[in-house]
Parts: sequence; structure tokens; C-alpha cells
Amino acid sequence: GAVVSQHPSWVICKSGTSVKIECRSLDFQATTMFWYRQFPKQSLMLMATSNEGSKATYEQGVEKDKFLINHASLTLSTLTVTSAHPEDSSFYICSATLDREATDTQYFGPGTRLTVL
Amino acid sequence: GDSVTQMEGPVTLSEEACLTINCTYTATGYPSLFWYVQYPGEGLQLLLKATKADDKGSNKGFEATYRKETTSFHLEKGSVQVSDSAVYFCALSPNDYKLSFGAGTTVTVRA
Repeated sequence: GAVVSQHPSWVICKSGTSVKIECRSLDFQATTMFWYRQFPKQSLMLMATSNEGSKATYEQGVEKDKFLINHASLTLSTLTVTSAHPEDSSFYICSATLDREATDTQYFGPGTRLTVL
Repeated sequence: GDSVTQMEGPVTLSEEACLTINCTYTATGYPSLFWYVQYPGEGLQLLLKATKADDKGSNKGFEATYRKETTSFHLEKGSVQVSDSAVYFCALSPNDYKLSFGAGTTVTVRA
């Protein structure tokens, strides 16, 4: 199957620090990965599209200098929340599309719960 | 822009009851339509999809038909189980691999 993992599953940090979240495709190569943010009892909001070897494409209203995305390999994308503040507390979810399939189906990671104190 | 509107919850049902979650969309062109499910403590999983008008997606007893004339993709199951308790998200993709999600509907099935 197409399994996507995220690490860590939850993290608590102090205001002003940076946090890195990893997203890995375990059994397939993912040319494209996506990062979402989900607030409690709300839908997922797409933050950015991450393509291997190139700069991420951010959605309108998402600060690219605050949410740094790196997609250095076909199986790993990272999201770094820089100088985190309590309003950045949220559930961050990544997804990936299968490189070998011409499909628009996304496979989602289990998410990372970020709490900024 | 493209958007999805789905029935607000929460929805509480008894086991073996029928479930319908309404979903309508607004999009230019011919998007693909999806239902994703998020079980407690887990990530989103694709439940079913349809890529063109009149297509019916089905999985685990759930069905949804792509209705272009009514721009709808309602999710239905004839007999729910406790294990169907989850949050259900309707979504569309206008073929650029980006997904637009509805707000999600929380379904609780009681034994």
C-alpha cells in the first residue's frame, strides 16, 4: 500500500522556537507532497505544495518565511515552523501522490499535533 | 474558486440505520470528487472517488454518485456499524492535484 508517515506525532514547544516536522513516503516515491493545516473541528486547509528538488508553492495567505518547506528527496518533505507562536498551534498533515500512478489520489500521513506554549 | 459544501454535523445514528451525508460543489470544468474518512486518532483515508459524471464510487458499503446536473456527490450507506464512527470529508480536485475539502461531518454510531 501507499503509506505516509509523519514525525513527530505530537510536539510541544516554547514560543519563539522552531519546530521541524517530517513527512515520509514509506513504500513509494512521491514527486509531490502537500502540507495541510487543520484547526479543531474544521476542515483541512492546504498550505503549500512541495515538489522534489524545487521550491514549494504556497497558498495565498501562508507565510513562506514562517513555514519553511524542504523536499530534498523523493521520499521526504519537511515543514519547519519558525519562531513559533501560540497561534501556530494546530494539527499539521502531509499527503503525497504516487509518482508511478497518473492519479489525483492523495495519501495522507497521520498528522502532527503542534502545541506552542 | 472551487469549493465544497457538506452537511453540517454532528450526526448520531443507531447501528443498522441509514446514513446520508450531503455534499455539493462549485467548480469550473470537471473535477474529480472524493470522500475521505478520518477515524479517531488516525489520518485521513480515501474512502471512495469518482472522476467523471455519473460515476459511482463505492467502498466498505458506502456509495456516492457524481451528479453533474445537481453538482452533488452525496455519501450513503444503508446500514451503519459502530466502526463507521468517524469524520467524513467531501473533497474535489480540479485535476491539478490540489484538494479542496468540505468542513467535515462527524458521525457517531451507537450500538
